[in-house]
Amino acid sequence: AQTVTQSQPEMSVQEAETVTLSCTYDTSESDYYLFWYKQPPSRQMILVIRQEAYKQQNATENRFSVNFQKAAKSFSLKISDSQLGDAAMYFCAYRSASSRGDMRFGAGTRLTVKP
Amino acid sequence: DAGVTQSPTHLIKTRGQQVTLRCSPKSGHDTVSWYQQALGQGPQFIFQYYEEEERQRGNFPDRFSGHQFPNYSSELNVNALLLGDSALYLCASSRTEQETQYFGPGTRLLVL
Repeated sequence: AQTVTQSQPEMSVQEAETVTLSCTYDTSESDYYLFWYKQPPSRQMILVIRQEAYKQQNATENRFSVNFQKAAKSFSLKISDSQLGDAAMYFCAYRSASSRGDMRFGAGTRLTVKP
Repeated sequence: DAGVTQSPTHLIKTRGQQVTLRCSPKSGHDTVSWYQQALGQGPQFIFQYYEEEERQRGNFPDRFSGHQFPNYSSELNVNALLLGDSALYLCASSRTEQETQYFGPGTRLLVL
């Protein structure tokens, strides 16, 4: 069974600094998708970034980028120039390419941004 | 462009009762997935609906059932509520079964 592990329950970063959130996953499949979602106190899960396993190039979205290491089954999120609005729970998620919709989530990392 | 909407936002029920939660997908999306998020945990997949049929199901008992309507909106029904069903219920929609999922704001269910 595919599992997702986020080993950092909490992280903090100074405003304008850079922070990296870690995620590892376990799967025997070769074709899959990885996601980072952000959940602020408003509760709504917001897609931050998506990575296709077949792509070697790491995905980037403005200040957000990932370091995807397929062999190591690692998928970390780097947030550059952190802003107060980045404070939230961040969830790493995995979905098999053969799955119709079953996304597996990690337990989350709570990010605090200090002014 | 309206995003995913859910109703109600909050709900309080007692053990043994039944509850229905509703979800309208994002415009242009035809697939709806439901997740349960217990306090302090990541979401867990309940099931997914596409073309008005349940296409995939997670590890949830039959007390959890759903429906999808011709306009792609969906309902989640939970029968014989248990205290452990207290959670945030999230609906996510996608363009097809395998496209990226976009989430609604959730329904917070409290079972007393």
